[in-house]
Amino acid sequence: NAGVTQTPKFQVLKTGQSMTLQCAQDMNHEYMSWYRQDPGMGLRLIHYSVGAGITDQGEVPNGYNVSRSTTEDFPLRLLSAAPSQTSVYFCASSSAGAGGDEQYFGPGTRLTVT
Amino acid sequence: AQTVTQSQPEMSVQEAETVTLSCTYDTSESDYYLFWYKQPPSRQMILVIRQEAYKQQNATENRFSVNFQKAAKSFSLKISDSQLGDAAMYFCAYRSAYAGGTSYGKLTFGQGTILTVHP
Repeated sequence: NAGVTQTPKFQVLKTGQSMTLQCAQDMNHEYMSWYRQDPGMGLRLIHYSVGAGITDQGEVPNGYNVSRSTTEDFPLRLLSAAPSQTSVYFCASSSAGAGGDEQYFGPGTRLTVT
Repeated sequence: AQTVTQSQPEMSVQEAETVTLSCTYDTSESDYYLFWYKQPPSRQMILVIRQEAYKQQNATENRFSVNFQKAAKSFSLKISDSQLGDAAMYFCAYRSAYAGGTSYGKLTFGQGTILTVHP
């Protein structure tokens, strides 16, 4: 059982470049989300989705786009990378949005923008 | 909005000893869940333990237990018989029990506590 997978694991971008971070889960979870982790700040929610075709903004959505065409996939797009987007990005999924259901995290993508 | 605060940036413990990590939170909601996550150097986020606010009994998972004080909005993690493999960053997190609303399903994390285990 693969769980939550993310690609790539590491990425270096130049300012202004675009890229897509991939996230996939094989647990048939409805709820998926993206977080970024910065030193001293814990993880912060970027965008989330409660099902295919439904997405919404989290706490720090600026500079990022998402879409959810299938239950399994939830890619995160950086349209024009900025040094402030240097961070570690985590994708997570759970069977329900609210409550105590465990959120399963992917292994993370370390992104550096120069 | 909810906030979670971990006031101990770093903690250390001797192998086989007990250590307690602190967490406080602020919320106006009455039903919610609290979590402790472990992040070892591999970066993988691992759920350690969870607690529902309506349950008065403190959660326990093997060597890990919590002290949940709802009125004080405190949620500490106790690790007994510490092992070298417990060395990691530990995050306290909050999640609403209510469906709908802004940032639905959001986990609000504290800043993290780095735990070092000495042999």
